[in-house]
Amino acid sequence: DAGVIQSPRHEVTEMGQEVTLRCKPISGHDYLFWYRQTMMRGLELLIYFNNNVPIDDSGMPEDRFSAKMPNASFSTLKIQPSEPRDSAVYFCASSSSDRNYEQYFGPGTRLTVT
Amino acid sequence: DAKTTQPPSMDCAEGRAANLPCNHSTISGNEYVYWYRQIHSQGPQYIIHGLKNNETNEMASLIITEDRKSSTLILPHATLRDTAVYYCIVRMFSGGYQKVTFGTGTKLQVIP
Repeated sequence: DAGVIQSPRHEVTEMGQEVTLRCKPISGHDYLFWYRQTMMRGLELLIYFNNNVPIDDSGMPEDRFSAKMPNASFSTLKIQPSEPRDSAVYFCASSSSDRNYEQYFGPGTRLTVT
Repeated sequence: DAKTTQPPSMDCAEGRAANLPCNHSTISGNEYVYWYRQIHSQGPQYIIHGLKNNETNEMASLIITEDRKSSTLILPHATLRDTAVYYCIVRMFSGGYQKVTFGTGTKLQVIP
């Protein structure tokens, strides 16, 4: 398996622009997670899905952030409008319910908002 | 989820065993201890988990004290590739509950 795939790997955008991050989980996994990592706040869980349904979005910082999972093989995290403080590395991870102790992380998307 | 306490950094000589401690004094009976690590600029990687018995896999060993208030992750023969941030996490192992809270971890530096 190719593992969790994220795109783009790097994104540089100007403040106010819309940013869309993409994730393809490992085939057969029924859980998908979005994390954000910064030096100041460490690794934070933003939202997670089970069978394409959002279960816990309490980590989403504000209404500018939204996440969707239209099918089992694709998810997006959108920021609109983007702000400099959104600069971070965003990780997507997936896991299966029968091995839910193990989350598989993607390589991350490094977002820079200028 | 119970809170964990880890030293911020440690050094280990290459080829020696690396022993990474974790305190989780408020752990409850149905909570497991998990370990992940994050090599620079990569996503975190699962290492091992356990409830109360010691566990071993191809990557590491996990020693949990009898009162379960602390644990130690052991990398038996550390290599330079083991240089990473190691996270100790305590959470319930439940089919429907997936939330994992990462703390600040221990930065392990393996020295040649």
